[in-house]
Amino acid sequence: KAGVTQTPRYLIKTRGQQVTLSCSPISGHRSVSWYQQTPGQGLQFLFEYFSETQRNKGNFPGRFSGRQFSNSRSEMNVSTLELGDSALYLCASSLFSGAQGEQFFGPGTRLTVL
Amino acid sequence: ELKVEQNPLFLSMQEGKNYTIYCNYSTTSDRLYWYRQDPGKSLESLFVLLSNGAVKQEGRLMASLDTKARLSTLHITAAVHDLSATYFCAGVPSGSARQLTFGSGTQLTVLP
Repeated sequence: KAGVTQTPRYLIKTRGQQVTLSCSPISGHRSVSWYQQTPGQGLQFLFEYFSETQRNKGNFPGRFSGRQFSNSRSEMNVSTLELGDSALYLCASSLFSGAQGEQFFGPGTRLTVL
Repeated sequence: ELKVEQNPLFLSMQEGKNYTIYCNYSTTSDRLYWYRQDPGKSLESLFVLLSNGAVKQEGRLMASLDTKARLSTLHITAAVHDLSATYFCAGVPSGSARQLTFGSGTQLTVLP
């Protein structure tokens, strides 16, 4: 069974640009969550989507947004990039929403903002 | 708001020795996860602990959960070099959906 896939794996952008990251969950999983990992702040929850609806959002500015498609694939978008957005962005999929099931993480997209 | 604290943050140990990583959390958590992360890699799920007194073991790693003390431990037995990695615990705030709240991680180095 294929795992969670994320594209692209590496990305370099400059300040002010915008970026879109993609995540394909494990087949049959309908929940996709996004996390940001930085050396300073650690792992922080961005948002969760289930059945194309945002269920939860972390404490991030509105420049961070996401969506989920009918096939459960998800994208996250960051507009007006700042240097501090440089991070590893991890996507995780789960069979269920709510406090059930286990999250399986993808390999991540490493974003560098210059 | 759920807060998760791990200690120690850094741990160097000799091969063959035993050690424990501690994970304290501030409010009720529906479950407790342990993950492993190798440098530059993603998170690998190790254990999911669902209830008070839960104990799970896989190889040289054993995790336990005490919900009354709001404490989970990851015990390493007879460490080997391959266990060198960063270990994270994570809780799920009660009533939330899939929001994992992570500890800062424990960077483990097993020395020969």
